[in-house]
Amino acid sequence: EAGVTQFPSHSVIEKGQTVTLRCDPISGHDNLYWYRRVMGKEIKFLLHFVKESKQDESGMPNNRFLAERTGGTYSTLKVQPAELEDSGVYFCASSQSPGATDTQYFGPGTRLTVL
Amino acid sequence: RKEVEQDPGPFNVPEGATVAFNCTYSNSASQSFFWYRQDCRKEPKLLMSVYSSGNEDGRFTAQLNRASQYISLLIRDSKLSDSATYLCVVGYNQGGKLIFGQGTELSVKP
Repeated sequence: EAGVTQFPSHSVIEKGQTVTLRCDPISGHDNLYWYRRVMGKEIKFLLHFVKESKQDESGMPNNRFLAERTGGTYSTLKVQPAELEDSGVYFCASSQSPGATDTQYFGPGTRLTVL
Repeated sequence: RKEVEQDPGPFNVPEGATVAFNCTYSNSASQSFFWYRQDCRKEPKLLMSVYSSGNEDGRFTAQLNRASQYISLLIRDSKLSDSATYLCVVGYNQGGKLIFGQGTELSVKP
């Protein structure tokens, strides 16, 4: 069974540009999560989708970040315009059931560098 | 104050040593508890869930003390392959959001 995949693996952009990250969850997983780790800090929750609906977006840092999951399959996270402090590793995770008791499987992450 | 706090690292131990990691969490509403392992430049992977009764998986033993809001992980007979960052994680059953500690780096030397 394929795991969670993310694209691209790395992205280097200049401040003010736009970047779109993609996550493909494990097939059949209705729950999709985005997390982020910035340098020197812990991994932090950004948001949670159940199918195509945003269940919890309390971790989104500001309105420069837009997440979508049209059709309830893959998800995109767009940063527009990117700022220096957006640099970090963006992880996507998926799980079959909601709730923290069900294992979340993480993708390999997208390493974003904003210059 | 961080919601999940872990021992500062790094821990450098010889092969065969026993090493213990500690973690505290501040939100008493936390409902699920885990240890994840993260290898360098890789994604976090679930090592084990942690239950109030304590649980063991081979060389790994995890304990949870809800009254003290304290979680521990004990690794016995350390192997070189145990070298990684160990993340203490708490979760809320409603929604599934996970809260991560900053991680403790373990380096097992020959």
